[in-house]
This record gives sequence, structure tokens and C-alpha cells, in this order.
Amino acid sequence: QVQLQQWGAGLLKPSETLSLNCTVYGGSFSGHYWNWIRQPPGKGLEWIGEFKHGGSTNYNPSLKSRVTISVDMSKNEISLKLSSVTAADTAVYYCTRGGNLVDWGQGTLVTVSS
Amino acid sequence: DIQMTQSPSSLSASVGDRVTITCRTSQSIRDYLNWYQQKPGKAPKLLIYGASSLQSGVPSRFSGSGSGTDFTLTISSLQPEDFATYYCQQNYNIVVTFGQGTRLEMK
Repeated sequence: QVQLQQWGAGLLKPSETLSLNCTVYGGSFSGHYWNWIRQPPGKGLEWIGEFKHGGSTNYNPSLKSRVTISVDMSKNEISLKLSSVTAADTAVYYCTRGGNLVDWGQGTLVTVSS
Repeated sequence: DIQMTQSPSSLSASVGDRVTITCRTSQSIRDYLNWYQQKPGKAPKLLIYGASSLQSGVPSRFSGSGSGTDFTLTISSLQPEDFATYYCQQNYNIVVTFGQGTRLEMK
């Protein structure tokens, strides 16, 4: 059973950089797609981007200039960085596995407030 | 980006009812359509992948159909644990997109 455990800062000020990590336990790390999804409070789901098993990344065009998704295979970790955050980036952030988003982390609420 | 339109946005139903939620896409996505269930405070759960394949462990009262631009999720006989929000998602395009969600409430 694969488990995705997320951690990272939950409160940021405008213009800071969001940084979240996700460790994968109990399953194969290589050979999979790894995604980050976010959900503003009371709203729907938004795809942020993916890290593909070949090493390439794809990002949501609306966030592309501010997002970096990376992987550390030695630690079974996926990382998300989102720069220059504003209140509009306040959301629950999820890491997920697979093209069909089979496995999900527990979610991390990130609040951006001055 | 491929636009996803779910209908209805909300739905009231009773235990035992048959419920259908639809998802329409702005262009053909063949069968690259997934359905998720989300309960308050929880991560979404994959129900259906590839438009009609039931994810392992998901009850058989859930079914999906469609291809191209029009898709449906059907719950054949609603159970109390099925009241939740449902999302469709396409992964045909490099840029993944979701429907806006359908909130299924108890009548």
C-alpha cells in the first residue's frame, strides 16, 4: 500500500515562496508520474503540474512562470516550489501519484496572509 | 486547455435512488476521463478511470460511460456514504483539467 506523506510551511506572507515536500512510502518510486494538485477553500481542484518518470515536467500554463516540481529519488521525495505567492494561492495542496491520480497525500493547507 | 463542464452543479437525492452526473469536454478526449469522489476534509478518491473502468475496491454500483466529449457517472442505488462531491478529470491533454464538481446532497 503506497502512502504519500506531505509536509511544509502552512503560513506564508505575500511574495514569499511556497515549499512543500511529499515522501512516498511502501511502493515503487521510479516509473511513475507525480503530480501536485491544489484546492482553494470551498472550491474545485486545480492541476499544478507533473514530474514524469523520464525526468521531464509539465506545468499548468497559469502557474508555469512560478512553479518548480522536482524529485529526489534517493529520498523518495517530490517537491513543489511556488514563488511570489499571493492570497490567491491560499489552498490545500496535494501530491498525487499516477496519470490517473490513484494515490493522494493527506493535503496541506497553505494560507497566504500579511 | 480543454474545458470541462459538469452538470448538475448540485443534486439532491435519497438513499436507493439512481443518480447520473454528466461531464462534457470542449474537444474530444477519447476515453481519457476519470471520476473522483471527495468528502469534506479528505483527498479525492479515484472511482472510474478510462471513462468506464472501475478502480479496484470501488463498489460496483458506480459505473462510467462515454467517449469523445460526453461522459456520465452513474450510481445505481445511492448509499449513505455516497453523499459527497464528484469531479471529472481529463488527462488526454498535457494540461490536466477538472470539472467544477457536482455536490450530491441528501434530500
